[in-house]
Amino acid sequence: EVVLTQSPATLSLSPGERATLSCRASQRLDYYLAWYQQKPGQAPRLLIYDASKRATGIPARFSGSGSGTDFTLTISRLEPEDFAVYYCQQYDSSPITFGQGTRLEIK
Amino acid sequence: EVQLVESGGGLVQPGGSLRLSCAASGFTLSSSWMSWVRQAPGKGLEWVANINQDGSEKYYVDSVKGRFSISRDNAKNSMHLQMNGLRAEDTGLYYCARVSEADAFDIWGQGTMVTVSS
Repeated sequence: EVVLTQSPATLSLSPGERATLSCRASQRLDYYLAWYQQKPGQAPRLLIYDASKRATGIPARFSGSGSGTDFTLTISRLEPEDFAVYYCQQYDSSPITFGQGTRLEIK
Repeated sequence: EVQLVESGGGLVQPGGSLRLSCAASGFTLSSSWMSWVRQAPGKGLEWVANINQDGSEKYYVDSVKGRFSISRDNAKNSMHLQMNGLRAEDTGLYYCARVSEADAFDIWGQGTMVTVSS
């Protein structure tokens, strides 16, 4: 089973700042990694798939990068609506697994 | 509007059973792999099961193998999760999700709550 470790657990930033979230895999992945955003009381929303491709309707300030075992989600300039929990997910091998999440909070 | 709506959750005693349903609208469910994902209260996301387009391939996380069964009814544009032998650790919000052509989960329902408690 591929274990995904996200860091940091909590990230405190202000609107307008740049956010960098990390996801490390316990074994090498191809590029089958996705990022999701989840706000309180809502279902997760797909942001990035195949490590770097933005999903439909996702603003350009969200970008994904990485390969192998290290992946990054970057939010270039934080908007108030971006404060949420972010999860990475690998679908390279079964079972599909998620990271434990990074909480992005307003500083 | 593309939408998934789950139903069937509730309070059940340990060892009991529940059958969850997921109804799709705005797209043809039969063209996609589908998944169930759960989230324990205050915790992260856990993939539970997958089913392919015609129901001939099914995959489960180890912790539910032999107890849960995923199925689909393409004629009714719906998917189900039969849960038997429920345990306290199965408590959580159960989401159905569509698997995109790229294998990420691109559409999610709002979830149905399952509580296993005596």
